[in-house]
Amino acid sequence: EAQVTQNPRYLITVTGKKLTVTCSQNMNHEYMSWYRQDPGLGLRQIYYSMNVEVTDKGDVPEGYKVSRKEKRNFPLILESPSPNQTSLYFCASSTLGTGILIGELFFGEGSRLTVL
Amino acid sequence: QKEVEQNSGPLSVPEGAIASLNCTYSDRGSQSFFWYRQYSGKSPELIMSIYSNGDKEDGRFTAQLNKASQYVSLLIRDSQPSDSATYLCAVNPVTDSWGKLQFGAGTQVVVTP
Repeated sequence: EAQVTQNPRYLITVTGKKLTVTCSQNMNHEYMSWYRQDPGLGLRQIYYSMNVEVTDKGDVPEGYKVSRKEKRNFPLILESPSPNQTSLYFCASSTLGTGILIGELFFGEGSRLTVL
Repeated sequence: QKEVEQNSGPLSVPEGAIASLNCTYSDRGSQSFFWYRQYSGKSPELIMSIYSNGDKEDGRFTAQLNKASQYVSLLIRDSQPSDSATYLCAVNPVTDSWGKLQFGAGTQVVVTP
């Protein structure tokens, strides 16, 4: 079954304790991206990757890191989480079409993170 | 000014009526436009994509794009209770970067029996 898998789905942590949210896709997609969703603000892009070893900042990258060492995996790293990073996080993947246009995004089920 | 703007709603629509959702965007060079549906507590899923000016129809859904006015809309005909969800407009502002995909805050649609 084609899917994007995120882990953990739920996490409560404390300020400053490093954490990693994993994301894996089995569709051989070139493009992967992380979003956070907050009430009234919609989905905001954190980082994206056009292919292996190619990553770039989205609109809200501060406080986050990513890596793309393998095509299927795109982990999101919070080196020193703060309460303002409490949010619902979505990983998504897509093929790249003509002119490297992003196609349909396939989303993971989301990871709800609470930072105390 | 937000790059992608939508009315937040909720938009209340009688069952069987047409729901009309609007989205405006700021980057004139944007190339790709998408409508996603998100049920409460679930992930977004694609409804429609549109790349050229004009209308694109898929079943009960019609997307309309006007690049000159920087406007994209979604019509839902014969609205059903199962259409009750939040609808997210997404735009690929390639003038900034090919990899960015920006979402509006979403419009909540409530279909009433």
